[in-house]
Amino acid sequence: GQQVMQIPQYQHVQEGEDFTTYCNSSTTLSNIQWYKQRPGGHPVFLIQLVKSGEVKKQKRLTFQFGEAKKNSSLHITATQTTDVGTYFCAGRKTSYDKVIFGPGTSLSVIP
Amino acid sequence: KAGVTQTPRYLIKTRGQQVTLSCSPISGHRSVSWYQQTPGQGLQFLFEYFSETQRNKGNFPGRFSGRQFSNSRSEMNVSTLELGDSALYLCASSSDSFPYEQYFGPGTRLTVT
Repeated sequence: GQQVMQIPQYQHVQEGEDFTTYCNSSTTLSNIQWYKQRPGGHPVFLIQLVKSGEVKKQKRLTFQFGEAKKNSSLHITATQTTDVGTYFCAGRKTSYDKVIFGPGTSLSVIP
Repeated sequence: KAGVTQTPRYLIKTRGQQVTLSCSPISGHRSVSWYQQTPGQGLQFLFEYFSETQRNKGNFPGRFSGRQFSNSRSEMNVSTLELGDSALYLCASSSDSFPYEQYFGPGTRLTVT
């Protein structure tokens, strides 16, 4: 069945350093979404990417969707303590398929 | 708009019992999905309902079931509880239009003893 993987599982960075998490799907996706879950909280939608090679930015966050629509990345520039949490990617094969979440990357930021 | 609400927030049950969890989606959302979240397995998809019909189903045993009512509220039921069912159960609703983002509720923390 369809699988979505993410690396790394954990990342500890000094405040101000950059951070990147990578997401890979075993199948081509129609779109990919990114969510952030703060400790003790629930996942919150960040963004959706649809087009092959798409790049979107949200302030210090840069999201990319691969050309083959099987991988994606989230890059955070100059991390802050407010970036702490687990970042999940989630993909669907078609708009009506179930959403498959990756296992997430847990980010810790050392002040 | 009010967010997704889930009740109860916390629940302690004994092995062999059954449990029913409730989810009220954001007003106007017709799609409701359920997920099980555990530290070791991450977010596992249980099922998705749209307009009272199950649209997608994950790889969970038949002890896990759900339904959706005409007002889009949804319930999930777990029968014959096992220790391994202890988890955070999250409900998410989404709109019918692009980008179909999911809005998650706070979850129900189920502990099976």
